Amino acid sequence: DAGVTQSPTHLIKTRGQQVTLRCSPKSGHDTVSWYQQALGQGPQFIFQYYEEEERQRGNFPDRFSGHQFPNYSSELNVNALWLGDSALYLCASSLYRREEKLFFGSGTQLSVL
Amino acid sequence: GENVEQHPSTLSVQEGDSAVIKCTYSDSASNYFPWYKQELGKRPQLIIDIRSNVGEKKDQRIAVTLNKTAKHFSLHITETQPEDSAVYFCAASRDSGAGSYQLTFGKGTKLSVIP
Repeated sequence: DAGVTQSPTHLIKTRGQQVTLRCSPKSGHDTVSWYQQALGQGPQFIFQYYEEEERQRGNFPDRFSGHQFPNYSSELNVNALWLGDSALYLCASSLYRREEKLFFGSGTQLSVL
Repeated sequence: GENVEQHPSTLSVQEGDSAVIKCTYSDSASNYFPWYKQELGKRPQLIIDIRSNVGEKKDQRIAVTLNKTAKHFSLHITETQPEDSAVYFCAASRDSGAGSYQLTFGKGTKLSVIP
């Protein structure tokens, strides 16, 4: 039973560029949430996708956008990268309306230079 | 929105001693409180969780207590072992009304167990 998988594991970008991160949820899960974890901090909620729609959004600007595909996998896109976007981006999957438990992937470490 | 405060930020204990990490939350509607353990360079892993209709939950050496009136909850680890060394995060969430949950995390506690 595959867990949550994310790609790539590491990424280096420069200011102003755009980035796309990918996530495949745990088998049987239908909901994907994205979190940003800055160094030394707890994860912060970005948004959640279910049935290919954004269901909830945290306090992040419109530069952060996402998508969910029919197979439940998801992408996180960040435009016009800032230095402050450097962080570990975590994807978590769950079952919508049936389970609060989140299962996290190992994350993508994004460095913006 | 919800705000979760976690203390202490670092904690060192001798192997075999107990460790306690405390969290407070601000939203009285929060009803689900998980704890995650994150080892260096690895994913956060759920170690125990509690719902607001329960005051205490135990799983082997780990226990969580919840005081809804005071809006605080705590993680207790007994008989600590070196492999317990990690960063521990508390979190709180509630049903958004659409049946989905959004976790708000504390800033984490770095636990070091000294052999």
